[in-house]
Amino acid sequence: ELKVEQNPLFLSMQEGKNYTIYCNYSTTSDRLYWYRQDPGKSLESLFVLLSNGAVKQEGRLMASLDTKARLSTLHITAAVHDLSATYFCGTGTASKLTFGTGTRLQVTL
Amino acid sequence: DAMVIQNPRYQVTQFGKPVTLSCSQTLNHNVMYWYQQKSSQAPKLLFHYYDKDFNNEADTPDNFQSRRPNTSFCFLDIRSPGLGDAAMYLCATSTSLRDRPYEQYFGPGTRLTVT
Repeated sequence: ELKVEQNPLFLSMQEGKNYTIYCNYSTTSDRLYWYRQDPGKSLESLFVLLSNGAVKQEGRLMASLDTKARLSTLHITAAVHDLSATYFCGTGTASKLTFGTGTRLQVTL
Repeated sequence: DAMVIQNPRYQVTQFGKPVTLSCSQTLNHNVMYWYQQKSSQAPKLLFHYYDKDFNNEADTPDNFQSRRPNTSFCFLDIRSPGLGDAAMYLCATSTSLRDRPYEQYFGPGTRLTVT
């Protein structure tokens, strides 16, 4: 059974500093997704990573994938309040996705 | 704009009273999903349709059923809602694209309250 774990579960970030979220998964997979969820809202797709060594960047967020280590990271550069949300990674095979536990980010001044 | 629409956005039902949630999409995606999400938890996949093929998760209670009458619409039926079924229900769609395979697009969700 595929298990996807994220850490930390909660991250209190100071504005302007850099942080990293980790996503580990238990079985081989050829794709990794990152989603963002604001409180009371639905999920929004951020990144799709398809190969070992893939790196995607959007604004202050950068995601990378190491399929050999079964690890993806989401790096936040110079955190700002707008990034406060819960971030989920997900992986799987074909059309089915298993989500990680989620990491709640809170940016403080 | 192409999108995933869920109705209603908020649903209140009584314990044991059947309820149906609906999802429609204008993306023409062939895969549709239903997730249940409880507070501070990850979305939990209930089932998904790959075209007309229904795929039920092993741990989805029999109380939950689904219908997909055509490509655009999918319904979630809860036959006898219990208090534990109160949650946000998320519909999502996907399709196989070369550079973003099975990236899921989520609707706004339906928040179900059971009284």
